[in-house]
Amino acid sequence: QVQLVQSGAEVKKPGASVKVSCKTSGYTFTTYDINWVRQATGQGLEWLGWMSPDSGYTGYAQKFQGRITMTRDASIGTAYMELTSLTSEDTAVYYCARNKAFTGDFDHWGQGSLVTVSS
Amino acid sequence: QAVLTQPSSLSASPGASASLTCTLRSGINVATYKIYWFQQKPGSPPQYLLKYQSDSNKEQGSGVPSRFSGSKDASANAGILLISGLQSEDEADYYCMIWHNNAWVFGGGTTLTVL
Repeated sequence: QVQLVQSGAEVKKPGASVKVSCKTSGYTFTTYDINWVRQATGQGLEWLGWMSPDSGYTGYAQKFQGRITMTRDASIGTAYMELTSLTSEDTAVYYCARNKAFTGDFDHWGQGSLVTVSS
Repeated sequence: QAVLTQPSSLSASPGASASLTCTLRSGINVATYKIYWFQQKPGSPPQYLLKYQSDSNKEQGSGVPSRFSGSKDASANAGILLISGLQSEDEADYYCMIWHNNAWVFGGGTTLTVL
């Protein structure tokens, strides 16, 4: 069965960086894009960007341009999202989700990774 | 003004139908967009429900009951998620999403209470 398993919770200080992983299984990693979505406590969903595991091509939400990087290690079916220059406003649960290219069918999601930014 | 606006909450009775709206900002024509819908229950990631472009271009997510359906209201410039035969398990947050200006954009979400 398809699974996306994310790394555990992180606590970071303001100004630091965080790298969240999303390990996939149950399907061919390179045939679906990976998106990253975050959700602050009690708030709605916010899209961060997407990556093609096949080509490595990425597209980021304008809000995060310059401080977000999405990468992958296809040999282990894992996608990564790194966010730098963290502030308290980055405190949220971060999700990875897969979709077929050019569609919004985010049909499988990771369990979420809580990132807390606090001094 | 937000790209997608959803009412923050909606209540309906078991067995009834609920119509959840997703209104596109003025100047963005709902007719040209495919609207995606997700359900999220507390403590869980969102789950994909369906996508709707038109009656001839729509798709249900895998395993999603036919009680969930999509439509559009052109006069209101809105996408609609209709849930019929409401059950207590339908109590959740619902989000719409579109692809706009090279980005996926979510609505703010609607909390559906079944009581």
